[in-house]
Amino acid sequence: GAGVSQSPRYKVAKRGQDVALRCDPISGHVSLFWYQQALGQGPEFLTYFQNEAQLDKSGLPSDRFFAERPEGSVSTLKIQRTQQEDSAVYLCASSYQTTGTNQPQHFGDGTRLSIL
Amino acid sequence: AQSVTQLGSHVSVSEGALVLLRCNYSSSVPPYLFWYVQYPNQGLQLLLKYTTGATLVKGINGFEAEFKKSETSFHLTKPSAHMSDAAEYFCAVSVTGANSKLTFGKGITLSVRP
Repeated sequence: GAGVSQSPRYKVAKRGQDVALRCDPISGHVSLFWYQQALGQGPEFLTYFQNEAQLDKSGLPSDRFFAERPEGSVSTLKIQRTQQEDSAVYLCASSYQTTGTNQPQHFGDGTRLSIL
Repeated sequence: AQSVTQLGSHVSVSEGALVLLRCNYSSSVPPYLFWYVQYPNQGLQLLLKYTTGATLVKGINGFEAEFKKSETSFHLTKPSAHMSDAAEYFCAVSVTGANSKLTFGKGITLSVRP
């Protein structure tokens, strides 16, 4: 596709349920980032992949959050035993080259997660 | 660690007036600086970026920003606001390249009055 695709666009879950959010980056993009954007705030970094390798997961807020990119393309962010504080927009971004270059990140439209 | 401060959460201007959105950063190493725009229910779109070289950076939609190291600032300007400029604007910093994790400010909502 032409841009970063995220699905679903909206997800409502009950507290305690597990959810999975999908990101399909721009074809050929090596780097993939996940960010969490709480209401009225700027996005905050969660985790970074270079191809299939998860090189930085320092932003994941708890061990309930897990991300993978097994074939170096599509990525899934999984949240187990969801809590109300997990309600946010989850943004995915991808970029053509690896860290240290000047290629910018391209963002998807995000998944808005609401925990009841 | 790096950080970004965007003073004020809301700026309102008249159509045709100057737009000035302020951004100050903190970084222990030379920063890479960005401005992104976000329209409702959409992702972030890159307006412009500063990596190295010329400190006055021109972006899309008539926006520009100037990197001032002495003031640790990267303010965004546009000479004449258009109604379509109404959106949320985020300043961001990274320290190891444009393709590195971004640290964002809280954002500024720009309203444009007819």
